[in-house]
Amino acid sequence: GAGVSQSPSNKVTEKGKDVELRCDPISGHTALYWYRQRLGQGLEFLIYFQGNSAPDKSGLPSDRFSAERTGESVSTLTIQRTQQEDSAVYLCASSFRTGDYGYTFGSGTRLTVV
Amino acid sequence: DAKTTQPTSMDCAEGRAANLPCNHSTISGNEYVYWYRQIHSQGPQYIIHGLKNNETNEMASLIITEDRKSSTLILPHATLRDTAVYYCIVRVANGDDKIIFGKGTRLHILP
Repeated sequence: GAGVSQSPSNKVTEKGKDVELRCDPISGHTALYWYRQRLGQGLEFLIYFQGNSAPDKSGLPSDRFSAERTGESVSTLTIQRTQQEDSAVYLCASSFRTGDYGYTFGSGTRLTVV
Repeated sequence: DAKTTQPTSMDCAEGRAANLPCNHSTISGNEYVYWYRQIHSQGPQYIIHGLKNNETNEMASLIITEDRKSSTLILPHATLRDTAVYYCIVRVANGDDKIIFGKGTRLHILP
């Protein structure tokens, strides 16, 4: 597609439920990143995939958070047993590995845990 | 650690040039300066990047000092749609590294 696509755009879930967020990167982009942005705050790095290399999970806040990516395609971010502090916009970005032109971000998934 | 220092907020009159400063005194020789912006309720948008030469594209100009310890992003004719948070970032291009965003500068374009 022309841009990074994220779904759903909005998600309201009950505390304790699991949620799955999806990111479709730009075709040909080998790198994929997940960030979290709480209301009025900056972007927090969560996880980074680069091709077939082991992902950089250093930003995941707890073991309730996990992410997968198959090859250089779709990625899913899963949050288990959601808590109210998980409420945030979850942003996905992708980029080429070489000839760096910067990241392209999706519009994000707004997650509200009630 | 975002490695950069930016003012928290700035105002600029519509139609004027907006000059956003950034300090990156610990920048390494192989690190580039990148600028992104985030308009309210949208994902961040790449603007421009450079190593040591000044750069210009359709969105902005980037002026990097000779010692590379600071830079300025210039929006030549600011419009109300340029109101956003602007992030200055240093990182190695083509590197296996993620961008760490700081707090950025909140730019208000005044009518």
